[in-house]
Amino acid sequence: GQQVMQIPQYQHVQEGEDFTTYCNSSTTLSNIQWYKQRPGGHPVFLIQLVKSGEVKKQKRLTFQFGEAKKNSSLHITATQTTDVGTYFCAFNFGNEKLTFGTGTRLTIIP
Amino acid sequence: DTAVSQTPKYLVTQMGNDKSIKCEQNLGHDTMYWYKQDSKKFLKIMFSYNNKELIINETVPNRFSPKSPDKAHLNLHINSLELGDSAVYFCASSPQGNWNYGYTFGSGTRLTVV
Repeated sequence: GQQVMQIPQYQHVQEGEDFTTYCNSSTTLSNIQWYKQRPGGHPVFLIQLVKSGEVKKQKRLTFQFGEAKKNSSLHITATQTTDVGTYFCAFNFGNEKLTFGTGTRLTIIP
Repeated sequence: DTAVSQTPKYLVTQMGNDKSIKCEQNLGHDTMYWYKQDSKKFLKIMFSYNNKELIINETVPNRFSPKSPDKAHLNLHINSLELGDSAVYFCASSPQGNWNYGYTFGSGTRLTVV
């Protein structure tokens, strides 16, 4: 079956440091989405990647989709306290079912 | 205007009771979902409806019964609640076949079974 591992599970960084979370799939993905969930909040859609090798940026956030479309990463430059939360990758295989990765919980040390 | 709204936000109830959670979206989306998030933050899909038709039914106990009176509403009824049902339940919606905008989630219902 399809498996997607997200690492690390937890990450504690000093404010101003960079942060990266990775999603790795055992099978080729048609696309990948990234979501952010603040503590006590709900998942919020950040971006979707579709093309092999695609790179997209949103201010301090950089999203990449691997050449083989089996892995993806989210990188945050110079973290701020507002970046606290859990970051999820999510994917589907051409149907309506969006499956979420296990999430990376980011905490910031001021 | 809240795009996807769920009620109630919190629900505390005793084992064995029956409860319902309501969800409404005003985005004109065709597809609605129920997800369950456990204490470890794992998000798992439970059900999906497209234009009032059930299209995804994961291996969920049949104590859980979704109902979609129209494409803007998807309710979740749970019979004979058990301790293991305690979790946060999220409703979500998406435009059918248009993946670019992702799913829009409601603010969640925190269910505690005591």
